Amino acid sequence: DTAVSQTPKYLVTQMGNDKSIKCEQNLGHDTMYWYKQDSKKFLKIMFSYNNKELIINETVPNRFSPKSPDKAHLNLHINSLELGDSAVYFCASSQGPGSQPQHFGDGTRLSIL
Amino acid sequence: DQQVKQNSPSLSVQEGRISILNCDYTNSMFDYFLWYKKYPAEGPTFLISISSIKDKNEDGRFTVFLNKSAKHLSLHIVPSQPGDSAVYFCAASILGSSGGKSTFGDGTTLTVKP
Repeated sequence: DTAVSQTPKYLVTQMGNDKSIKCEQNLGHDTMYWYKQDSKKFLKIMFSYNNKELIINETVPNRFSPKSPDKAHLNLHINSLELGDSAVYFCASSQGPGSQPQHFGDGTRLSIL
Repeated sequence: DQQVKQNSPSLSVQEGRISILNCDYTNSMFDYFLWYKKYPAEGPTFLISISSIKDKNEDGRFTVFLNKSAKHLSLHIVPSQPGDSAVYFCAASILGSSGGKSTFGDGTTLTVKP
């Protein structure tokens, strides 16, 4: 039973399109995260939500909008996709804000044509 | 501003030998450090951690050492096994800080040869 699950695993789309990535965790955690892993392999935090409230919002273009309908779900919507958005996006969760470790999903590989 | 660095992109060792992976950080506010292991097409999984009040933490074949004055940590794997072949990420955080943000290094690919 997967603890943190992301869908889809792969996403190939055209520049300018809008797409969403979904994430769900069944660990009962309060805090969820979105990370971006670019071609240089760095995992960079984008957003963090605690119990549906946004608590971290790094310097991310406004085209990226996270949505947390409940504490078990954190979705990522991306408008007007650009070539530079091509990356692997990882969702993660932890027991609470400031707690470690984080539990990661298997990632969504986004490719922009 | 890369606050966590893993200067060796790759490391190759023979099965049964010791693997030593290194990590340096610049932010003296970091007080909690973690190592994650990542297989291809999977997410990182937590391996071992250490608080800044300690200088060593051991879990089976894995030991993490922290040298605060040098802002350096290392992961020792003894003995190394082929199944240890993966990418290893070092991460640093300020425990209890708002958001629980972790800053990751860019990973070291470990290959353990049979």
